[in-house]
Amino acid sequence: GQSLEQPSEVTAVEGAIVQINCTYQTSGFYGLSWYQQHDGGAPTFLSYNALDGLEETGRFSSFLSRSDSYGYLLLQELQMKDSASYFCAGNTNAGKSTFGDGTTLTVKP
Amino acid sequence: SQTIHQWPATLVQPVGSPLSLECTVEGTSNPNLYWYRQAAGRGLQLLFYSVGIGQISSEVPQNLSASRPQDRQFILSSKKLLLSDSGFYLCAWSDPGQGFNEQYFGPGTRLTVT
Repeated sequence: GQSLEQPSEVTAVEGAIVQINCTYQTSGFYGLSWYQQHDGGAPTFLSYNALDGLEETGRFSSFLSRSDSYGYLLLQELQMKDSASYFCAGNTNAGKSTFGDGTTLTVKP
Repeated sequence: SQTIHQWPATLVQPVGSPLSLECTVEGTSNPNLYWYRQAAGRGLQLLFYSVGIGQISSEVPQNLSASRPQDRQFILSSKKLLLSDSGFYLCAWSDPGQGFNEQYFGPGTRLTVT
């Protein structure tokens, strides 16, 4: 089975940097994905790590350490529109994805 | 470009009534298709996924079923809804060439069972 843990809430101010951590226990682990979901909306794909290291996509970066069963999403130059829920998802080589319960990010002016 | 459609957007159904939610994808062939359910304030629970027509894998034993009658059509059904079936139902697709790691979600159906 799989389980993923991430903080339930994070608060930061505009322009700041915030890191959302995710630890996982997954058999057949293949990679870690990140999704953003605004209130009432559908999740949107942000980033994916299959290998250890940092993947950068604009203001967002994602990191994976397989040896530590740990990853994080880094959001830089925070904007008000970044207020949303962020989910990590563990993907297995059997084609299944298990989502964490999400981290609600509140960006304050 | 690829587009995923889901309908209806909201649905209120009495306990014991049947359910049919439809999802279609445009602009791609042979996608992997998924049904998820999201309870309020929680993550997404994978219900079913399909790698091809007629190929359905069930993740959670329950009173729901799924079918894939056409390549880009995925249907979620129930013969008799329970109160616990309430939630936000999301259909998603991914490109098999990119694995299961990038999934793209439809707008969702918010189901309330009364």
